[in-house]
Amino acid sequence: ETVLTQSPATLSVSPGERATLSCRASQSVSNNLAWYQQNRGQAPRLLIYDASTRATGIPARFSGSGSGTEFTLTISSLQSEDFAVYYCQQYNDWPPYTFGQGTKLEIK
Amino acid sequence: EVHLLDSGGGLIQPGGSLRLSCAASGFTFSSYAMSWVRQAPGKGLEWVSTISGTGSSTYYADSVKGRFTISRDNSKNTVYLQMNSLRADDTAVYHCAKDGKMRFPPEGYSDYWGQGTLVTVSS
Repeated sequence: ETVLTQSPATLSVSPGERATLSCRASQSVSNNLAWYQQNRGQAPRLLIYDASTRATGIPARFSGSGSGTEFTLTISSLQSEDFAVYYCQQYNDWPPYTFGQGTKLEIK
Repeated sequence: EVHLLDSGGGLIQPGGSLRLSCAASGFTFSSYAMSWVRQAPGKGLEWVSTISGTGSSTYYADSVKGRFTISRDNSKNTVYLQMNSLRADDTAVYHCAKDGKMRFPPEGYSDYWGQGTLVTVSS
């Protein structure tokens, strides 16, 4: 099973600044990695798939990069609605599909 | 517009059974794999099960294998999760989710999610 480790667990950033979230895989997942955003009490929303492709309707301030075992989600200029929990998910080595434990992005 | 409506959750005693449903609309249902993903209170996301578009292939997490059964009725645009021998650690919000690509085997990421239905296993 491929384990995904996200860091940091909590990230405090001011609105308008850049946020960088990391996801590390225990073995290579090629580019088969997705990022989701989840607000409290809501369903997850797909942001990025195939490591770097933005999903439909996702603003350009969200970008994904990486391949193999190291991945990054960057939010270039934080808006108020971006403060949420973010999860990475691998779909290279399955079953099972696995998720990271999440990074909580909070207002500084 | 894609819409997924999860239902069927509730309070159930350990050892009991429950069937969840997810009614889909806004896309060609039979062309896409569907999954169930759960989230225990205050915890992260855990993949539970996936079924191919035709229903001929199913996949399960080890934690539910032998106890849960995923199925679909393409004439009703609905996917189901039959949950038997429920345990306290099955307590979670269960989301159905649509696969991101029209292909077989499933792609694995989900581009649309239902709001979820809460399953509480407790005596």
